[in-house]
Amino acid sequence: DIQMTQSPSAMSASIGDRVTITCRASQGISNYLAWFQQKPGKVPRRLIYASSSLQSGVPSTFSGSGSGTEFTLTISSLQPEDFATYYCLQHYSYPLTFGGGTKVEIK
Amino acid sequence: EVQLVESGGDLVQPGGSLRISCAASGFSFSDYWMTWVRQAPGKGLEWVANIKEDGSEKYYVDAVKGRFTISRDNADNILYLEMNNLGVEDSAVYYCASDVRLGNWGQGTLVTVSS
Repeated sequence: DIQMTQSPSAMSASIGDRVTITCRASQGISNYLAWFQQKPGKVPRRLIYASSSLQSGVPSTFSGSGSGTEFTLTISSLQPEDFATYYCLQHYSYPLTFGGGTKVEIK
Repeated sequence: EVQLVESGGDLVQPGGSLRISCAASGFSFSDYWMTWVRQAPGKGLEWVANIKEDGSEKYYVDAVKGRFTISRDNADNILYLEMNNLGVEDSAVYYCASDVRLGNWGQGTLVTVSS
C-alpha cells in the first residue's frame, strides 16, 4: 500500500500569509494526486487534481505542484475562508489513500 | 448541476447489516467510476471502495473486504454500498463521490454501529 505522509498535521497562520502543505508518497505516484479542503461540519471539496490542475471555481490563490513522491499545496495569501483541514489523495494504485490531514488555524 | 444524494444511514447493532444508496443526477452516471469514502467522527477521510463504469471492476480497502459490496444501477443512476457484519469501527459518515479523483461529493449519510 502507498502511504501518504502529510505535513504539518496542524499549523497556525495569519490572514495574508503564504501557506505550504506537503504530502510525501511512500513510492512514486506520478501526478496522480488531488487536494481537498474540508471545513468543520461540511463536505470535502476538491481543490486540485492531477497534482497541479486547479478545480473550476477554486480561487487562484491555491496552487499545487509536484510529481513522483513529493507534492505541495500552496495558498499564496491566506483568506478567512481558507481556515479548514486539507487532505491529499493518491489515486495511482489501490488501495487509494489519503494523507492524515493538515488543520490550518487562525494565529 | 451534478448532484449526489446519499441515503439509508441508520443506527445498527454490531454484527448487523445495512445498505446505503447514492442517487446521481446532472451528469452521465454510466460514464464514470464511482467511489465511497467514509469519515469516522473527528477523524480523517478513508477511501472505502470503487466501482468501474459498467460494474465489471470493484476495489475495496482491506478493512471492509468480504463484508462490504459496492454495486451500481446505471438504469436508475444509483450507487449502492451493502454493508454486512458491521462493527463499531465502521461508524462514520459515508460519502459517495464521482470518479476516482473525487470531483463531486454527496452530503453524506451517517452510519452508527452501536448496541
